[in-house]
Amino acid sequence: GEDVEQSLFLSVREGDSSVINCTYTDSSSTYLYWYKQEPGAGLQLLTYIFSNMDMKQDQRLTVLLNKKDKHLSLRIADTQTGDSAIYFCAERVYNNNDMRFGAGTRLTVKP
Amino acid sequence: EAQVTQNPRYLITVTGKKLTVTCSQNMNHEYMSWYRQDPGLGLRQIYYSMNVEVTDKGDVPEGYKVSRKEKRNFPLILESPSPNQTSLYFCASSFSREATQYFGPGTRLLVL
Repeated sequence: GEDVEQSLFLSVREGDSSVINCTYTDSSSTYLYWYKQEPGAGLQLLTYIFSNMDMKQDQRLTVLLNKKDKHLSLRIADTQTGDSAIYFCAERVYNNNDMRFGAGTRLTVKP
Repeated sequence: EAQVTQNPRYLITVTGKKLTVTCSQNMNHEYMSWYRQDPGLGLRQIYYSMNVEVTDKGDVPEGYKVSRKEKRNFPLILESPSPNQTSLYFCASSFSREATQYFGPGTRLLVL
């Protein structure tokens, strides 16, 4: 498809793991990113993964990349109320280096 | 503190009244860009600039202008705003087009 796709909403209980999924468009994309947007704020880079990697872990965050299926996921372990935000998946398109964003997944963490 | 700043943060205006949203970065970044964020559409690139005096169209440039006279500043100009330009606008910068982008806090624009 032409769009980076994400489900729009995810709700979890505090302490559970959250998994946010993304399907991207270009199998030759070089970098894939996860950004976090808190209410009233700009986008904050959470983590990124280079396309030759399958997995990247950074404290509570785990990124999994399946290049064959063009599928990217972000797992947040021990989700806290402060993790409530919109999470954007983005790819850097190989042929022109443009950034292409998904519509964002709104994560709600319930106490 | 390294940052990207935008002004104003909130703006309500009327159709046809020219406005400028400023963007400034203090990281000596060469690459700057403007995005708009709309519900269900994510971020779409409006314009970008590879360096001073070098600008190019993104995915949705219609109705917008930009300029890059200095490295640190990249203003977004709406010569004749229309209601369909009501949106949340983000400026971003990076060392190069390939490098990780840093985003400003956003400007929420309402055109009546």
